[in-house]
Amino acid sequence: GENVEQHPSTLSVQEGDSAVIKCTYSDSASNYFPWYKQELGKRPQLIIDIRSNVGEKKDQRIAVTLNKTAKHFSLHITETQPEDSAVYFCAAPAGAGSYQLTFGKGTKLSVIP
Amino acid sequence: DAGITQSPRHKVTETGTPVTLRCHQTENHRYMYWYRQDPGHGLRLIHYSYGVKDTDKGEVSDGYSVSRSKTEDFLLTLESATSSQTSVYFCAISEVSRYDRYEQYFGPGTRLTVT
Repeated sequence: GENVEQHPSTLSVQEGDSAVIKCTYSDSASNYFPWYKQELGKRPQLIIDIRSNVGEKKDQRIAVTLNKTAKHFSLHITETQPEDSAVYFCAAPAGAGSYQLTFGKGTKLSVIP
Repeated sequence: DAGITQSPRHKVTETGTPVTLRCHQTENHRYMYWYRQDPGHGLRLIHYSYGVKDTDKGEVSDGYSVSRSKTEDFLLTLESATSSQTSVYFCAISEVSRYDRYEQYFGPGTRLTVT
């Protein structure tokens, strides 16, 4: 099955700076990579995703990049704001032909005003 | 939020008692999942369903069973609760959407404490 490693586990940035979270995966056949944001006491919510036929996708201040050769993908948040403080999870398909997801262990992002 | 509810939202129970958590969806999605979330472990898959009466085990299925008799309901049962099953439980649903994206949508969670 898929193995997803996420780094760092915690990240503190000053408001206005950029934040980058990186995930690596093991199955070269994986083709779908979502990112979830979970605020304290709330449910995880999908914020952006990317399929393996593109290298980058942007949505306002967030972007995801994918390097299929190196088998890693990253979440980029620019001009961070206090409301970006949350735990972020990456995920990848659990196996070939599977619609299950394997999640990384999460990154706690703190944006310092 | 997608039409997903979980009940109960909070429960405290004693070791050895049976517990059933319910997930209900109004989206008519085919796939349903149960996860547990513990500090340092992220989201771990317990069981999942790919249709009515079609279920399979996930990464951490020991001590849990599931049933899906209707598209909209997915039940998670702890036959004899143990303290190690104290956790937050999330239900999720998904459907294979256009361009083969299969994003999952989560319910609000159930906080279970086993004393």
